[in-house]
Amino acid sequence: EAGVVQSPRYKIIEKKQPVAFWCNPISGHNTLYWYLQNLGQGPELLIRYENEEAVDDSQLPKDRFSAERLKGVDSTLKIQPAELGDSAVYLCASSLDGTENIQYFGAGTRLSVL
Amino acid sequence: GEDVEQSLFLSVREGDSSVINCTYTDSSSTYLYWYKQEPGAGLQLLTYIFSNMDMKQDQRLTVLLNKKDKHLSLRIADTQTGDSAIYFCAERSGGYNKLIFGAGTRLAVHP
Repeated sequence: EAGVVQSPRYKIIEKKQPVAFWCNPISGHNTLYWYLQNLGQGPELLIRYENEEAVDDSQLPKDRFSAERLKGVDSTLKIQPAELGDSAVYLCASSLDGTENIQYFGAGTRLSVL
Repeated sequence: GEDVEQSLFLSVREGDSSVINCTYTDSSSTYLYWYKQEPGAGLQLLTYIFSNMDMKQDQRLTVLLNKKDKHLSLRIADTQTGDSAIYFCAERSGGYNKLIFGAGTRLAVHP
């Protein structure tokens, strides 16, 4: 069974440029998460989707970040415009409904903003 | 608020046991998790424990939970060089599908 797939793995852009990350969750997983991981820190939730609906986006900086999950499967996370402080690893995870809430993570996209 | 704390670094000799500690603040946490992250990779779930359990064992891994002190530990028996990685403790925020992670403990295994 394929795991959570993210692309690209690495992205280098100049500040003020837009950037987008893509995530394909494990087949059948209805819940999808985007996390931000700064260097030396644990992941922090940006947004959580249940199917197509964003049910928790309280930590998403909405002035420059946006996300979508069309058809309740793949998801994209966009930053426009990117700032130097956005340099980090962006992780996608997915899970099935259930009491244990086991989240499976992709390898992440490492963003460097110059 | 919710917070998870871990020591930042642990160094052990190959073949010894490793114990990684974690404290959390949310007394309503239902599940607690241990994830492993190798360089350049995502997080891999190692094990998890339900809050009404004191201990869970899975091959070389033993999780101990002291709910009164809000303390969680992960013991790795017979630590190998392949165990070198960053280990994250996470609590499931009570009632929500949201994980709160610690900053991670870097485990270094030396010969």
